[in-house]
Amino acid sequence: DIQMTQSPSTLSASVGDRVTITCRASQSISNWLAWYQQKPGKAPKLLIYKASNLESGVPSTFSGSGYVTEFTLTISSLQPDDFATYYCQQYNSYPLTFGGGTKVEMK
Amino acid sequence: QVQLQESGPGLVKPSETLSLTCTVSGYSISSGYYWGWVRQLPGKGLEWIGNIFHSGNTYYNPSLKGRVTISVDTSKNQFFLKVSDATAADTAVYYCARMVEADHAEYLHLWGQGTLVTVSS
Repeated sequence: DIQMTQSPSTLSASVGDRVTITCRASQSISNWLAWYQQKPGKAPKLLIYKASNLESGVPSTFSGSGYVTEFTLTISSLQPDDFATYYCQQYNSYPLTFGGGTKVEMK
Repeated sequence: QVQLQESGPGLVKPSETLSLTCTVSGYSISSGYYWGWVRQLPGKGLEWIGNIFHSGNTYYNPSLKGRVTISVDTSKNQFFLKVSDATAADTAVYYCARMVEADHAEYLHLWGQGTLVTVSS
C-alpha cells in the first residue's frame, strides 16, 4: 500500500496568513493526488485533483503543486471559512489511501 | 443538482452484518462514474472501503479482509454496502461518494453527508 504522510498535523494561523500543507507519498504517484477540506460534522469536500487542478467553485486562494512523491496545498490568504481539516489522497493505485489530515486552527 | 444520501441502521450488534444504502438523485448511476464508500472512525482520518462501476465491477480495500460487498441497483438508482461480522472497530461515519476515474484509480468528486454506524450490543 502507498502510505501518505501529511505535515504538520496541526497548524495555527491567522486570517490573511499564507498557509502551506505538505503531503508525501511512500512511492511515486505521478500527479495522481487529490486534496479535500473537511469541517466538523460535515463530509469532506474536493478542493484539488491531479495535484494542481482546482475543482469548480473552489476559491482561487487555494492552489496545489507537486509531483512524484512530494505535494503541497497552499492557501494564499487564509479566510475565516478556511479553518478546517485538510486531507490528501492518492489515486495512483489501489488501495486508495489518505493522509492523516492537517487541522488548520485559529492562532 | 446531484445528491447522494446514505441510509441504514445506526446501531448494529457485534458479529452481525452492517448494511447501508446510498440513494443518488439528479444523476443516473447507469450513465457512468464509479460509486464508492469511505469511512471515518471517531476522531480519526479517512479509510477507503471500496467502489463499484455501474456495470458491477468492484474494487475493495484488502484491509477489510473480504468482509465487504458493494452492489448496485440501477433501476432504483442506489448502491449498497455490506460489512459482515461487524465489530466495534467498524464503528464509524460512513460516506458514499461519486468517484471520477483517472488513469489507474479514482478520486472522490461528490460526497453524501455521512451516516454514523455504531457496533455495540
